Amino acid sequence: AQTVTQSQPEMSVQEAETVTLSCTYDTSENNYYLFWYKQPPSRQMILVIRQEAYKQQNATENRFSVNFQKAAKSFSLKISDSQLGDTAMYFCAFGPNYFGNEKLTFGTGTRLTIIP
Amino acid sequence: DVKVTQSSRYLVKRTGEKVFLECVQDMDHENMFWYRQDPGLGLRLIYFSYDVKMKEKGDIPEGYSVSREKKERFSLILESASTNQTSMYLCASRGTGIRLDPTDTQYFGPGTRLTVL
Repeated sequence: AQTVTQSQPEMSVQEAETVTLSCTYDTSENNYYLFWYKQPPSRQMILVIRQEAYKQQNATENRFSVNFQKAAKSFSLKISDSQLGDTAMYFCAFGPNYFGNEKLTFGTGTRLTIIP
Repeated sequence: DVKVTQSSRYLVKRTGEKVFLECVQDMDHENMFWYRQDPGLGLRLIYFSYDVKMKEKGDIPEGYSVSREKKERFSLILESASTNQTSMYLCASRGTGIRLDPTDTQYFGPGTRLTVL
């Protein structure tokens, strides 16, 4: 069974600064997917970024990028030039690479607050 | 855009009541999921369905059942609500598509915050 650990329950950072959210996971599989989801206050959870384990290149989406270290089983999210709209709960999630098992395993989340 | 809707944003029920939480998606997705979200515990999978009338238990199915009579609708049922089922319930859907599609992921509804008194 897979486990996902987010060791930072809460973080805060000044607007325009860079912040990194950490995530580690445990799996015996070689091919899989990793995700970061964002849940703004009282709003729907949305996908921020995803990473395929077979890809060495780190995924980027505008101000969001990941540092994927497969050997260390680490998957951190970096938010550059943080904005007030980045205030949210962030969840790291692990997904299998085969059909028939669609389960995602989520971490416990990090509550990020961007301070004006 | 994928749209996943849930029947209620807030719901208050009494212990012992039968509770129905409804979820509808408009993208013809095969897979649908019910999670509960609790502070410090993240999201935990209750049940999922990969096709009409098909269901599989997730990590915490006790006290819950589900129904999927139509592809677009997935219902979570609390047969006899208890106070420890007070939680935020999230529904999600995903197509059985190509894993290489960068948009391939689970799409979530807005959530139902259920309080059982």
